[in-house]
Amino acid sequence: AQTVTQSQPEMSVQEAETVTLSCTYDTSENNYYLFWYKQPPSRQMILVIRQEAYKQQNATENRFSVNFQKAAKSFSLKISDSQLGDTAMYFCAFSGTYKYIFGTGTRLKVLA
Amino acid sequence: SQTIHQWPATLVQPVGSPLSLECTVEGTSNPNLYWYRQAAGRGLQLLFYSVGIGQISSEVPQNLSASRPQDRQFILSSKKLLLSDSGFYLCAWSVQGGIKNIQYFGAGTRLSVL
Repeated sequence: AQTVTQSQPEMSVQEAETVTLSCTYDTSENNYYLFWYKQPPSRQMILVIRQEAYKQQNATENRFSVNFQKAAKSFSLKISDSQLGDTAMYFCAFSGTYKYIFGTGTRLKVLA
Repeated sequence: SQTIHQWPATLVQPVGSPLSLECTVEGTSNPNLYWYRQAAGRGLQLLFYSVGIGQISSEVPQNLSASRPQDRQFILSSKKLLLSDSGFYLCAWSVQGGIKNIQYFGAGTRLSVL
């Protein structure tokens, strides 16, 4: 069965610094997608970044980038130059043939 | 552009009362639709998903039910609410087909059962 694990319930980072959020997953599928979603205090969940399992190149979106290690089944999110607006709950998600699964989330607080 | 509407934003209901939460999507046709529950401090639990009108798949046996009376309308219901039904409910949609689809979320409904 597919699982998604986020082992860091809470993290904090100083403004302008870099932080990495961890995510591991388990699947027997070869073709799948991985996502990071952000849920700010306003509660509207939005997509941050997406990675296709077949692509070796790590996805990047401005200050957000991932470190995708397929063999290790690891998918971490790096936020560079953290901003106060990055304060949110971050969810890692897996999309495979039969399932779309979210992790339990990491609450990130950016400190001024 | 596509938009998703979910209402009400907040709801306080007594134990044993019925529930109806509604979600509609605009700007797309034949979407996949989802209902999630997010308990305080926890992740997202998929409750129901639908790939078409009248087609509902339940992920977790519970006190809730879902219906899809129209292509872009998804309703979450209960005949009698329990205290444990309290939580934050999110509706989402994605493009039909494939595995690479991004899910787009509504603003959510905060349900308090007292």
